[in-house]
Amino acid sequence: EAGVTQSPTHLIKTRGQQATLRCSPISGHTSVYWYQQALGLGLQFLLWYDEGEERNRGNFPPRFSGRQFPNYSSELNVNALELEDSALYLCASSFSDSYEQYFGPGTRLTVT
Amino acid sequence: SQQGEEDPQALSIQEGENATMNCSYKTSINNLQWYRQNSGRGLVHLILIRSNEREKHSGRLRVTLDTSKKSSSLLITASRAADTASYFCATGGTQGGSEKLVFGKGTKLTVNP
Repeated sequence: EAGVTQSPTHLIKTRGQQATLRCSPISGHTSVYWYQQALGLGLQFLLWYDEGEERNRGNFPPRFSGRQFPNYSSELNVNALELEDSALYLCASSFSDSYEQYFGPGTRLTVT
Repeated sequence: SQQGEEDPQALSIQEGENATMNCSYKTSINNLQWYRQNSGRGLVHLILIRSNEREKHSGRLRVTLDTSKKSSSLLITASRAADTASYFCATGGTQGGSEKLVFGKGTKLTVNP
């Protein structure tokens, strides 16, 4: 069974640009979560989608947004990139009623 | 904000030794999970312990949970070089369903061959 996949693996952008990160959950999982892992700061919760709707949002500015598609895949958009947005962005998925999350390999975003 | 706080931040041991990592948290939880992350990659789910459980085993892993002290420990027995990774605890909320997890900053474990 395929795990959570994320694309691209690496992304290099300049300050002020927009970045789009993609995630495909494990088949059967309807919940998708996004986390930011900046150096030395651990995992910070960004967004949680379930059944196409945003269920919860972490303490991030509105320029971090996303959506979940009918096939449960998800997209994270970061507008007006800042240098401090450089981080590993991790996507995870789970069954709607499960606490166990399964993570993808991440997208490393570098903002120069 | 972080709920779980792992201790120690870094741990270095020799192959064959046991490794113990601790996690403390602040609010009531439904469950607590441990994850492993190898060098900048995605996290791998290791074990989940529910708030009404006190101890759980999985292979060489043993997790304990003390809800009165709001703490958990992860013991890895007979460690191997391949266990070198960062280990995170994550607490799940009490509202039921797929509440978001709150992760600690992790313990970086190095197992020397």
